[in-house]
Amino acid sequence: QVQLVQSGAEVRKPGASVKVSCKASGYTFTNYDISWVRQAPGQGLEWMGWISGYNGNTNYAQKFQGRVTVTTDTSTNTAYIELRSLRSDDTALYYCARKVVGTTYFDYWGQGTMVIVSS
Amino acid sequence: QSVLTQPPSVSGAPGQRVTISCTGSGSNFGAGFDVHWYQQLPGTAPKLLIYGNTNRPSGVPDRFSGSKSGTSASLAITGLQAEDEADYYCQSYDSSLSGVVFGGGTKLTVL
Repeated sequence: QVQLVQSGAEVRKPGASVKVSCKASGYTFTNYDISWVRQAPGQGLEWMGWISGYNGNTNYAQKFQGRVTVTTDTSTNTAYIELRSLRSDDTALYYCARKVVGTTYFDYWGQGTMVIVSS
Repeated sequence: QSVLTQPPSVSGAPGQRVTISCTGSGSNFGAGFDVHWYQQLPGTAPKLLIYGNTNRPSGVPDRFSGSKSGTSASLAITGLQAEDEADYYCQSYDSSLSGVVFGGGTKLTVL
């Protein structure tokens, strides 16, 4: 069965960076894209970017360009998101989700990783 | 302010039918991009409910249906059940932003 298992919660100070992982299993990793979506406490869903599992091409939301990097390691079927220059409003639950190539929807989601930014 | 506009909340009694609207614009729905819907139960990750405007993934009851016309879309839930109480999000792609956009979410309360 398809599974996306994310790394554990992180606490960072403002200005620091954080890197969250998402390990995929149960499907051919290179046949799908991985997207990242975050959700601030009590708020809605916010798309951050996606990466092709096939060739590593990325597409980032304009809001995060220059501050986010999404990568993959096809040897371990793992995707990563790194967010830099953290601010308190980056405190959120970060989800990875599988995206079918050529479409824009997300059919499987990870369990989420809580990132807390606090001094 | 979300690119896709949803009502903050809707409610209905068990067995009733409710609809959740999602209003877009010419750069998303109007440009031909599909709408997708997700259900988020309290404390859990979102779950794909409807994709490609009208399609249900395997395992999603046929009580859930989606539609899209022009720059608007809607999700209908018939035979409302207590377990349907959740947040619902619409999602599409926006050509002006060159990225994925979500609605602000609608909280469904089963009375």
